[in-house]
Amino acid sequence: QVQLVQSGAEVKKPGSSVKVSCKASGGTFNNYAISWVRQAPGQGLEWMGGIIPMFDIVNYAQKFQGRVTITADESTNTAYMELSSLKSEDTAVYYCARGGWINWFDPWGQGTLVTVSS
Amino acid sequence: DIQMTQSPSSLSAPVGDRVTITCRASQGISNYLAWYQQKPGKVPKLLIYAASTLQSGVPSRFSGSGSGTDFTLTISSLQPEDVATYYCQKYNNVPYTFGQGTKLEIK
Repeated sequence: QVQLVQSGAEVKKPGSSVKVSCKASGGTFNNYAISWVRQAPGQGLEWMGGIIPMFDIVNYAQKFQGRVTITADESTNTAYMELSSLKSEDTAVYYCARGGWINWFDPWGQGTLVTVSS
Repeated sequence: DIQMTQSPSSLSAPVGDRVTITCRASQGISNYLAWYQQKPGKVPKLLIYAASTLQSGVPSRFSGSGSGTDFTLTISSLQPEDVATYYCQKYNNVPYTFGQGTKLEIK
């Protein structure tokens, strides 16, 4: 049973970047996609983008185009989400999840809180 | 982009009641629709996929139906542990949009 384990909480300054990792434990990515979803405090779920590691195919939500980079390392079964030019509005919990490309999202990582503050 | 609209935004019902949440897609999505439950401070949990297939381990009081543009999530007999926010999501193509959520409370 694969589990997704994310990196720890981050505190960043406005204008900087953050890179969050998501490692598959107890299994591999195989041919599944990995998506990234964020949730600002008190708000709903927002899909940011995703990757199919086997084919290195990436899609981003238009809102984050140019600011987000999603990558994956199949050798370590780890996916990464890097968000640049951080603003206070990017303060949120960032989740990875296996899913996308006609697959539902399951399982999810435990979430990574990113706080952007001067 | 296809929009996903849930109703109601919030709902309060007594224990034992039948509860229905609806999700409408602005264009047809066949049955590429999932429902998630998120309890406060917790990770979203998959309840239903392919519009009506119950995820393993999810209580049978949860059910889903619909196809095309109109979908429903039904809890046949509301329990105290069902207090949560529920989200629908399309996953047929990008962007994999979520509904805005329905907050469910016990009356």
